[in-house]
Amino acid sequence: ETGVTQTPRHLVMGMTNKKSLKCEQHLGHNAMYWYKQSAKKPLELMFVYNFKEQTENNSVPSRFSPECPNSSHLFLHLHTLQPEDSALYLCASSQDRDGRYEQYFGPGTRLTVT
Amino acid sequence: QKEVEQDPGPLSVPEGAIVSLNCTYSNSAFQYFMWYRQYSRKGPELLMYTYSSGNKEDGRFTAQVDKSSKYISLFIRDSQPSDSATYLCAMRRGNNRLAFGKGNQVVVIP
Repeated sequence: ETGVTQTPRHLVMGMTNKKSLKCEQHLGHNAMYWYKQSAKKPLELMFVYNFKEQTENNSVPSRFSPECPNSSHLFLHLHTLQPEDSALYLCASSQDRDGRYEQYFGPGTRLTVT
Repeated sequence: QKEVEQDPGPLSVPEGAIVSLNCTYSNSAFQYFMWYRQYSRKGPELLMYTYSSGNKEDGRFTAQVDKSSKYISLFIRDSQPSDSATYLCAMRRGNNRLAFGKGNQVVVIP
């Protein structure tokens, strides 16, 4: 596998469920990101990890809980979500957080909350 | 005022036409300017990357940055059906987060 992979690609969950999204990067990068993409809205940065340490939480509700066990893996744990949380969740990675470095995106997980 | 403004379109053009996309922004501290292309059911991929004002050309693609007007553009010459996608502008300063536009859907009609 190359690049940034995300699983599952599609997820339907009820508001009382607990699920997790997984992201893996095979690029040797040190920074990883979670973004939310909703229709007709700009991409919203949720979390940033640099060398496994969380460096940014963009005022994300606590029902979203990130985990970064190592520089290659990133998880987003979901619980008691709301229908408005339905969106495409994108993972990205970059060499590090410096703006010179390109962010590479995964294909995303399409989440539907019922 | 939103940080980055981008008209979401959609924009339909015949094959071979020039596609012109643009974004305006409010934060004069932005230094890095990017255009991403996103195909349906895929994540965004970086298409063009520029630092500060000026033009950058890569094949059929030209990116322009005018910092004095806080305006960036992407031009696609000799457009092809394979160029049909959503184009996102993005910009940042230093280590700060990327600020994205809403994306502009482009359809190139054969």
